[in-house]
Amino acid sequence: AAGVIQSPRHLIKEKRETATLKCYPIPRHDTVYWYQQGPGQDPQFLISFYEKMQSDKGSIPDRFSAQQFSDYHSELNMSSLELGDSALYFCASSVGGRNQPQHFGDGTRLSIL
Amino acid sequence: AQSVTQLDSQVPVFEEAPVELRCNYSSSVSVYLFWYVQYPNQGLQLLLKYLSGSTLVESINGFEAEFNKSQTSFHLRKPSVHISDTAEYFCAVSTAIGGSQGNLIFGKGTKLSVKP
Repeated sequence: AAGVIQSPRHLIKEKRETATLKCYPIPRHDTVYWYQQGPGQDPQFLISFYEKMQSDKGSIPDRFSAQQFSDYHSELNMSSLELGDSALYFCASSVGGRNQPQHFGDGTRLSIL
Repeated sequence: AQSVTQLDSQVPVFEEAPVELRCNYSSSVSVYLFWYVQYPNQGLQLLLKYLSGSTLVESINGFEAEFNKSQTSFHLRKPSVHISDTAEYFCAVSTAIGGSQGNLIFGKGTKLSVKP
């Protein structure tokens, strides 16, 4: 079965650079979520989209922005990167309304030098 | 606000022994509960979920969890573990209020280590 696809899998950037992470949800899934997992930490919710509109906002820094496109894929844009942004970034998707099980991608590991 | 507490950060156990990973939640509204498993350098995989109905839910690989509303718990159990069950397990809750779709709030995770 098709899963959530994230690209790239690994990304190395320097401080103050920008990065764009991409997420392709499972076909026919209408909701996308972004999470950040720091080293040894639990995932923290950043932002979500439902039917291409922002649904919820969590602990997403103002330096980050995201959107969901007409084909339902989503991009997380990160600017003025800081050392503390080094983390695993997960995208998840779900279908069928509220509180449905979220299916996660394998994540993008972002390392800031 | 909702929160999730996983009482044990690490659980070592011998192969074929039973195991229980504890999870308690706090919420003033109805919750939906999930267990996810994360193998090293991989994403989170849904293990099982409680949305409604029977309070005992089972996964295809022998894990089960029971929703206990009075104790606000959703403990994960397996009667006999295998080496391949070694992973980190996250308990999560989801609550959707108003126009929200319901994001997940995770516990700190429990690292299960199965020894031969």
